Amino acid sequence: DGGITQSPKYLFRKEGQNVTLSCEQNLNHDAMYWYRQDPGQGLRLIYYSQIVNDFQKGDIAEGYSVSREKKESFPLTVTSAQKNPTAFYLCASCNGGVGELFFGEGSRLTVL
Amino acid sequence: GENVEQHPSTLSVQEGDSAVIKCTYSDSASNYFPWYKQELGKGPQLIIDIRSNVGEKKDQRIAVTLNKTAKHFSLHITETQPEDSAVYFCAASKNNNNDMRFGAGTRLTVKP
Repeated sequence: DGGITQSPKYLFRKEGQNVTLSCEQNLNHDAMYWYRQDPGQGLRLIYYSQIVNDFQKGDIAEGYSVSREKKESFPLTVTSAQKNPTAFYLCASCNGGVGELFFGEGSRLTVL
Repeated sequence: GENVEQHPSTLSVQEGDSAVIKCTYSDSASNYFPWYKQELGKGPQLIIDIRSNVGEKKDQRIAVTLNKTAKHFSLHITETQPEDSAVYFCAASKNNNNDMRFGAGTRLTVKP
């Protein structure tokens, strides 16, 4: 089945540690996105990538980094510079960069 | 940039009643307005969308209306069922998903 797979689903880390969240898609989509979701807030864009080896900052990129070495993969690293990393992280992809976003099931990160 | 406001934040209805969720947007250049449904612990899923060249779109029990002059759009769910219980997000964008902005979400509860 085609779709987006995020892992891990739950992650606990100590303050000061970097964490990498995985996102893999087999939909053959060029565009991929990372969003952060906090209670009572809409989705906020962290980073996006429209083609392999290229990515751009979204609205809240500080403290995060990404890479796009393969079309299928768009991992997100939450660095120790991110002041408030505890959140629900969603990865999405889209065909052509406009229209329907296909989301993964999310990764919940808790920093202790 | 675009700002999307969504009301109400919570909505409780009896099974069989109708539910209406409203959103306003600030950028008159926005031309694509999707609605996403997010079930507990899952990623959002597109349920309906509308483009600015139409005023209304229907898909079975779900409809969306758009008033470009007033810059607001609404989601209407008729004959609600318990499985409609979820968080609903509206969004608005101009030319591509990179500038899509989401509302804060509405938690809909349908009581049997």
